Amino acid sequence: DGGITQSPKYLFRKEGQNVTLSCEQNLNHDAMYWYRQDPGQGLRLIYYSQIVNDFQKGDIAEGYSVSREKKESFPLTVTSAQKNPTAFYLCASRTSVGYGYTFGSGTRLTVV
Amino acid sequence: KNEVEQSPQNLTAQEGEFITINCSYSVGISALHWLQQHPGGGIVSLFMLSSGKKKHGRLIATINIQEKHSSLHITASHPRDSAVYICAVSVTGNQFYFGTGTSLTVIP
Repeated sequence: DGGITQSPKYLFRKEGQNVTLSCEQNLNHDAMYWYRQDPGQGLRLIYYSQIVNDFQKGDIAEGYSVSREKKESFPLTVTSAQKNPTAFYLCASRTSVGYGYTFGSGTRLTVV
Repeated sequence: KNEVEQSPQNLTAQEGEFITINCSYSVGISALHWLQQHPGGGIVSLFMLSSGKKKHGRLIATINIQEKHSSLHITASHPRDSAVYICAVSVTGNQFYFGTGTSLTVIP
């Protein structure tokens, strides 16, 4: 079955460490997105990529980095520069035709 | 001010009740989405609509473009419908605005 796989589901990080969240899709979707979700707030866009080797900053990109070396993969690195990294992170993808989104199951990151 | 407002924030219903969740938006949109987020966190896309009405099983979504308003209805609600329902609007292909969600609990 096609879909998006995010791993791990839960992640703990010590302050000052970088950590990378994985997002893989086998839907042959062109565009991929990373969102952050905090309690009581809507999803906020961190980064997005419309094609391989290209990505754009979203509304809250500071302290995050991404890469898009393959169409299937869009990993997100939460760097030590991110002041408030504890959150739920969702990856999504979309075909270039239409506006339908597919979401992953999310990664809950906790900084300890 | 949020571009997307949902109401109510929290909703508790008895099994079998008819449920309505409302969404208002303030921007011009290409499409409106209703999403369902279960306690584990994963999100499922329920509907994408740009006009009229769509139905899938016990779920019905309507949109009024002139009034910038959409509703999600659940008929004959069931405890397994308990989830957070999120309204989102796409302005361009890559620009989305999300509501903060409506937390629904259906009691047996």
